Amino acid sequence: TQLLEQSPQFLSIQEGENLTVYCNSSSVFSSLQWYRQEPGEGPVLLVTVVTGGEVKKLKRLTFQFGDARKDSSLHITAAQPGDTGLYLCAGAVGYQKVTFGTGTKLQVIP
Amino acid sequence: DAMVIQNPRYQVTQFGKPVTLSCSQTLNHNVMYWYQQKSSQAPKLLFHYYDKDFNNEADTPDNFQSRRPNTSFCFLDIRSPGLGDAAMYLCATSRLGREQFFGPGTRLTVL
Repeated sequence: TQLLEQSPQFLSIQEGENLTVYCNSSSVFSSLQWYRQEPGEGPVLLVTVVTGGEVKKLKRLTFQFGDARKDSSLHITAAQPGDTGLYLCAGAVGYQKVTFGTGTKLQVIP
Repeated sequence: DAMVIQNPRYQVTQFGKPVTLSCSQTLNHNVMYWYQQKSSQAPKLLFHYYDKDFNNEADTPDNFQSRRPNTSFCFLDIRSPGLGDAAMYLCATSRLGREQFFGPGTRLTVL
């Protein structure tokens, strides 16, 4: 069974600060997704990474897939209140079911 | 826009009274999933369909059933809801081996 541990579990920061969320596993994944979920809504796909060492940018968000494809990070620059939500990583191995991370709840205070 | 739709968004039922949640998709994806999510935890997979093939998770209670009459629709039936079944229920779709796209969820309250 693959496990994905996210850290930190909770994060409360001031608007304008930077932050990094980590997603770690002992398993190798063929692809990894990051989702953001706002209260009362379903998770929204932010990015998919598939290549070891890959870096993708989405405005102020930077996603990196580890070289060994066992871990990933999400860095947010100059956080805004609209970034508030639950961040979930999810890893897949080929056609097997997706494993979700434990989640990071982010609160950005204006 | 192609999307995943869930109805209703909010469902209130009584203890033991059967309830059905619905999901439809316009993405033409061959895999559909049902998840249960409680209180800012990660979604927990209940079951999924690959086309018409049903795949139940080992720890999904018998109280939860599903139907997929065609590619576009999938239903979650809770035969006798208990207080512990109050949660957000999420439907997701994907192409086989690709990333999942989620609907907005149905918040179930059990009185």
